[in-house]
Amino acid sequence: SSELTQDPAVSVALGQTVRITCQGDSLRGCYASWYQQKPGQAPILLIFYKNNRPSGIPDRFSGSSSGGTASLTITGAQAEDEADYYCNSRDSSGRGIFGGGTKLTVL
Amino acid sequence: QVQLQESGPGLVKPSETLSLTCTVSGGPVSSGSYYWSWIRQPPGKGLEWIGYIYYSGSTKYNPSLKSRVTMSIDTSKNQFSLKLSSVTAADTAVYSCARASSGTYYYDTSGYFFLDIWGQGTMVTVSS
Repeated sequence: SSELTQDPAVSVALGQTVRITCQGDSLRGCYASWYQQKPGQAPILLIFYKNNRPSGIPDRFSGSSSGGTASLTITGAQAEDEADYYCNSRDSSGRGIFGGGTKLTVL
Repeated sequence: QVQLQESGPGLVKPSETLSLTCTVSGGPVSSGSYYWSWIRQPPGKGLEWIGYIYYSGSTKYNPSLKSRVTMSIDTSKNQFSLKLSSVTAADTAVYSCARASSGTYYYDTSGYFFLDIWGQGTMVTVSS
């Protein structure tokens, strides 16, 4: 299958830890990357290749994977972390795939 | 630093061809390290990968759009382009270009794919 499945919505209390998951067969052959998108803005790369963060991304964002499941963890969620989060990978043919996105609400 | 900027008509009539260009500044599209990608996002919906083009001209497209998509690259202008034919209202979306990295490290059995630089996106509406 060339699909990535994410929970549509997740909530977290301010300062607490939240995990956003992404499932798909493609994740057995390619690490997930993770993106944050706020309304009206372009997505921003948060995590790539296992658990690497681009310059400027806070270290409260981390990634992990096991088999066909990848996870994005936010440790100590901040109000500004309220956004949509997307996972991304490629299938066995090299074509890109996005998950459906998870809307994170910070309470 | 590398920046990407989309350009093209914001309104396209049904059955016509959508044409967009992405201009890259701060680095060459002829770099063999990257894949130049297009992604779209219908209003209120998620991201959809359209495809990418390599500096050599080789392409990979989303199977669901493959019959209607053509991508090209112009290294002399440092641009790459998207054409989507026979558009309908379902093609109304924000279209974004992005730089992708894709590969596998020799020491790892799993590969990597990520889009590290994005354009701001351009809204294209399909309507008569």
